[in-house]
Amino acid sequence: NAGVTQTPKFQVLKTGQSMTLQCAQDMNHNSMYWYRQDPGMGLRLIYYSASEGTTDKGEVPNGYNVSRLNKREFSLRLESAAPSQTSVYFCAVVDSYGYTFGSGTRLTVV
Amino acid sequence: GQQLNQSPQSMFIQEGEDVSMNCTSSSIFNTWLWYKQDPGEGPVLLIALYKAGELTSNGRLTAQFGITRKDSFLNISASIPSDVGIYFCAGLWNWGAQKLVFGQGTRLTINP
Repeated sequence: NAGVTQTPKFQVLKTGQSMTLQCAQDMNHNSMYWYRQDPGMGLRLIYYSASEGTTDKGEVPNGYNVSRLNKREFSLRLESAAPSQTSVYFCAVVDSYGYTFGSGTRLTVV
Repeated sequence: GQQLNQSPQSMFIQEGEDVSMNCTSSSIFNTWLWYKQDPGEGPVLLIALYKAGELTSNGRLTAQFGITRKDSFLNISASIPSDVGIYFCAGLWNWGAQKLVFGQGTRLTINP
């Protein structure tokens, strides 16, 4: 997963709390993505950013906001966490061969 | 939205056996990708397929892009313990800002 760094690796939140998941890449790619992974459902796209300053909704955007302030960083924010947002979150960038994923953030909302 | 149906959902095999899994879609794709995910890690690309009918190998792994562009399969020959993990297929219409659509995954367990 070299080139895509996610922080934190683990987080426990109480319902209603907010937090930001950070993603940074050192691969100089334009497109960045946030996915969530739930058992038996594969990976589902939350938001993506085709370039610095642009963002678009994916399949499951409700309850999330994103920010792409520069080419390197793409953050995912939960304004008011809900138990349904308990999941593993992956950031990814696209390169010539496929998508490169970070190692994930495991989030539990209690 | 687009859906990929991946099967089987899980496999329990003996070390040394061959493995086969596949994905089907209601939509056509221009690229099929196969990923493997180890526990606590993100998916890692195994094989990429760019042309209908293409058959590509990577060591003991072989994958094919179906001629209809709506399916793909992955074979693993002579399985070894480090093959354990979750395998995902993914389809893509175009590179760039197009979203990657994933199958539900196949969990492979190997008995030594």
